[in-house]
Amino acid sequence: DAGVIQSPRHEVTEMGQEVTLRCKPISGHDYLFWYRQTMMRGLELLIYFNNNVPIDDSGMPEDRFSAKMPNASFSTLKIQPSEPRDSAVYFCASSFDRAYGYTFGSGTRLTVV
Amino acid sequence: AQTVTQSQPEMSVQEAETVTLSCTYDTSENNYYLFWYKQPPSRQMILVIRQEAYKQQNATENRFSVNFQKAAKSFSLKISDSQLGDTAMYFCAFMKLGDSNYQLIWGAGTKLIIKP
Repeated sequence: DAGVIQSPRHEVTEMGQEVTLRCKPISGHDYLFWYRQTMMRGLELLIYFNNNVPIDDSGMPEDRFSAKMPNASFSTLKIQPSEPRDSAVYFCASSFDRAYGYTFGSGTRLTVV
Repeated sequence: AQTVTQSQPEMSVQEAETVTLSCTYDTSENNYYLFWYKQPPSRQMILVIRQEAYKQQNATENRFSVNFQKAAKSFSLKISDSQLGDTAMYFCAFMKLGDSNYQLIWGAGTKLIIKP
């Protein structure tokens, strides 16, 4: 398996633009997580899915953020409109058994200018 | 609510030395999992080692081992014969059992620098 695949690896966009981050979890993993990492706040859980259904989105900072999982092999995190304070590394992770923790993707470094 | 504390923001040791990173946690749960993740400069988060709370035996993975003290709620990571490639941020994390909650509770991390 190729692991959790995220794209793009880097994204630079102007304030006000829409940004879409993509994630392909490991096949067979029922849980998918979106995290944001910044120097100031560390790792923050934004939302997670179980069997494509959002379970907890309490970490989504505001209505500008939305996440979807249309099928077991694909998820998106969208920011519209983007703001400079959204600049961070966004990680996707998946899991099949909590005993083994999560497998993370390589992350997307988002810079909003 | 569970919390995880890593009291060492940064550590540095010479290559080949042994280093121990500390982690304490606060929970009223009896059954849970503990993890150490490594994040090198490449930024990929990599699972280093895991421990089930119901197991008394400390987990080991090659040069990595843990000292799990359940009563003290302590979960330290020992790296033996440290290598330059061990330079990374290390995060301790907690996950409780017993329900469908799959959330990891994270420490703030320890930056480990291995010097040549």
